[in-house]
Amino acid sequence: SAVISQKPSRDICQRGTSLTIQCQVDSQVTMMFWYRQQPGQSLTLIATANQGSEATYESGFVIDKFPISRPNLTFSTLTVSNMSPEDSSIYLCSVGGAHEQYFGPGTRLTVT
Amino acid sequence: GIQVEQSPPDLILQEGANSTLRCNFSDSVNNLQWFHQNPWGQLINLFYIPSGTKQNGRLSATTVATERYSLLYISSSQTTDSGVYFCAALSGNTPLVFGKGTRLSVIA
Repeated sequence: SAVISQKPSRDICQRGTSLTIQCQVDSQVTMMFWYRQQPGQSLTLIATANQGSEATYESGFVIDKFPISRPNLTFSTLTVSNMSPEDSSIYLCSVGGAHEQYFGPGTRLTVT
Repeated sequence: GIQVEQSPPDLILQEGANSTLRCNFSDSVNNLQWFHQNPWGQLINLFYIPSGTKQNGRLSATTVATERYSLLYISSSQTTDSGVYFCAALSGNTPLVFGKGTRLSVIA
């Protein structure tokens, strides 16, 4: 199994600002994913972070709002840009692929 | 893409009781996982079970891939079992898709 850490674990931000979330894995992985969990809801995939190329975004999510970097096989960042209260969610990094997937502890974001 | 449905949406149990949570999925799967999200938001892997039966302590899971469902059994429930249980499935090259979860409350 993979050990995944995320920074920050939580943050309170003002609307209109941006926050960058970091995800670090203890081993090299091919597939990294970013999920969002809005309050009381299930998890929704934002994008797949591809090493050496642009991220692949799911329907309803765009690069301008959620830019992603993947500089190497153990690290990725997700930025939540121009935040509004609707962006208040838990953001989770995940690794895996066709088989078992593992999740980081999440970043709990509150936008005021 | 694949659809994942969980039932029941909510469940309240007395400590010591047993329960069965169900997950139906709409397509053949490469991956079927059960997770427990504790009250602090941490998502814990319970089972990776695209087919067959597995047991881990008081928890066990069975997936009948041909009939497209999976069951999670919790025996002798404890208050620490409270939280949300998610089923998630992956089919072909699609990403992991989550059901809406079952919110379990175990009362002492």
